[in-house]
Amino acid sequence: DGGITQSPKYLFRKEGQNVTLSCEQNLNHDAMYWYRQDPGQGLRLIYYSQIVNDFQKGDIAEGYSVSREKKESFPLTVTSAQKNPTAFYLCASSLQRGTVDEGEQYFGPGTRLTVT
Amino acid sequence: AQTVTQSQPEMSVQEAETVTLSCTYDTSENNYYLFWYKQPPSRQMILVIRQEAYKQQNATENRFSVNFQKAAKSFSLKISDSQLGDTAMYFCAFMRWRSQGNLIFGKGTKLSVKP
Repeated sequence: DGGITQSPKYLFRKEGQNVTLSCEQNLNHDAMYWYRQDPGQGLRLIYYSQIVNDFQKGDIAEGYSVSREKKESFPLTVTSAQKNPTAFYLCASSLQRGTVDEGEQYFGPGTRLTVT
Repeated sequence: AQTVTQSQPEMSVQEAETVTLSCTYDTSENNYYLFWYKQPPSRQMILVIRQEAYKQQNATENRFSVNFQKAAKSFSLKISDSQLGDTAMYFCAFMRWRSQGNLIFGKGTKLSVKP
């Protein structure tokens, strides 16, 4: 089955620690995205990548970092510089064609990160 | 900057009835795309329907259809014959042409379908 996997589903960390969220896709999509979702809010874009070894900041990139060493993988690191890291994090992927297909994004099941 | 507004935080509908969710957006662009995404209690986001702004015909997908009013910058979602499985958060999203998949989401409408 093709899809996106995110692990773990729940993650707990102490304040001041960096933590890396995993995202893997086997859809052969070029583009991958990371979103943050807070209660009562829509999704906000953290980082996105259109191609291996290249990525761009989204609207709320401060305190986060990413890498894209393989087409299938787009891990997100939440650093200690992120002031309010507790949230639900969603990874997505899409075709990269410069068309409406880029907006048809396939999402993973998400990771709930709690930092205390 | 583009913004997306969903003015109904919560709605409910009886099973088998029809419900319409509202969405308005603000943009100075002429070429763009609009989407409705569904997030059920499992929190897995799923695309429901999409609309290209250059197309005048409203998109439909089975029981889901949109009313796209470009001049009014309005993009409502109609769900016909509502089913219990339609219970979810619904997010309206805007994407500028050639924005590399940069979706801008509204805050969502929580829809409850009651038996």
